Amino acid sequence: EIVLTQSPGTLSLSPGERATLSCRASQSVSSSYLAWYQQKPGQAPRLLIYGASSRATGIPDRFSGSGSGTDFTLTMSRLEPEDFAVYYCQQYGSSVHTFGQGTKLEI
Amino acid sequence: EVQLLESGGGLVQPGGSLRLSCAASGFTFSSYAMTWVRQAPGRGLEWVSGIRGSGVTPYYADSVKGRFTISRDNSKNAVYLQMNSLRAEDTALYYCARGYYYGSGYYLDDWGQGTLVTVSS
Repeated sequence: EIVLTQSPGTLSLSPGERATLSCRASQSVSSSYLAWYQQKPGQAPRLLIYGASSRATGIPDRFSGSGSGTDFTLTMSRLEPEDFAVYYCQQYGSSVHTFGQGTKLEI
Repeated sequence: EVQLLESGGGLVQPGGSLRLSCAASGFTFSSYAMTWVRQAPGRGLEWVSGIRGSGVTPYYADSVKGRFTISRDNSKNAVYLQMNSLRAEDTALYYCARGYYYGSGYYLDDWGQGTLVTVSS
């Protein structure tokens, strides 16, 4: 099973700032099969990024993903008030998918 | 519009069983993988099980292997999760999510609102 470790656990920033979230895998993620999800309180998760760097439909271009192998990054260029939430990475390159433990982005 | 509606959650005693259902609409069901993801109260997401559109070769997280069984009925546009030998640590909100194929894998592009399972005596 591939273990995903996200850092930091909590990130405190202000609107307008840049956010950089990290996701590190215990072994190489096949073909960059890495996705990022956003979850707000009381809501289901929402897909942001798939294939490590492709934005999902309707996701603003201030969200970007990068990385390969074992190191991946989600970047939000200029934080909007609605971006404060919990973010999860997920690998789907192995038969058993796994999620990271999440990064809480707070104001 | 894609809709995923989970049902079947509730309160069950340790060692008991429960069957979750997810009714899908708004897309060609058999063309997509389906997945169950759970979230314990105040905790993160945990992938539980996934099944491809054909229904062959389901996979499970180690934490539920041998106790949970995923299945699907493409004629009814539904996916199920049979949960046996339930434990307190299985208490969670269970989400049904659609898997969009990407190469040999699939990511989760649409989610239901979840059904709550509570395991307690």
